[in-house]
Amino acid sequence: QSVLTQPPSASGTPGQRVTISCSGSSSNIGSNTVNWYQQLPGTAPKLLIYSNNQRPSGVPDRFSGSKSGTSASLAISGLQSEDEADYYCAAWDDSLGVFGGGTKLTVL
Amino acid sequence: QLQLQESGPGLVKPSETLSLTCTVSGGSISSSSYYWGWIRQPPGKGLEWIGSIYYSGSTYYNPSLKSRVTISVDTSKNQFSLKLSSVTAADTAVYYCARVNVRRYGDYDIDYWGQGTLVTVSS
Repeated sequence: QSVLTQPPSASGTPGQRVTISCSGSSSNIGSNTVNWYQQLPGTAPKLLIYSNNQRPSGVPDRFSGSKSGTSASLAISGLQSEDEADYYCAAWDDSLGVFGGGTKLTVL
Repeated sequence: QLQLQESGPGLVKPSETLSLTCTVSGGSISSSSYYWGWIRQPPGKGLEWIGSIYYSGSTYYNPSLKSRVTISVDTSKNQFSLKLSSVTAADTAVYYCARVNVRRYGDYDIDYWGQGTLVTVSS
């Protein structure tokens, strides 16, 4: 059972916009920033969004993040086949990193 | 470019201690801006935070693993290490070492990951 709650799966067709939700509590998302990671099959996770809505250099602006209260979401616009991956939200909770269970995104 | 590389046995027997080392290259482990952490991922499952360490030696452990985990740092070798005792099959996972970027209080992210190493617990 993960501390943060994500839907196990999401899907969309190329060009569509999809969103992935992440729900937490006052001690994690409610108090600290949210990060999102993309994990392609067989590889280490990669930082996609930090500080709720900031993109590291090299991450396309098709990816955006937002946070409200104890929930956060990741939006992917102009969906592409290479976006098919697992997505994890994360936050800090009393000096401990906590993750969501991951959302498997399928591009139909 | 910062790189992190995990090393250690890929097979550990039940009840024994899992030991991994992460070697950091391209940057100093002694920087005050970062923590250094371990995360694991059982096959086909999600990510689990194990714990982290500051270059000064301060440690923070997942309460669910705290009684079995020890994370240490060797600044002279630019390495940090993980020991997990009394392992069972449930500890079989890919183990990642990572750098935690401290932007400000409450605003942390993992900006660099090792490639991960699979550790299987089996007799």
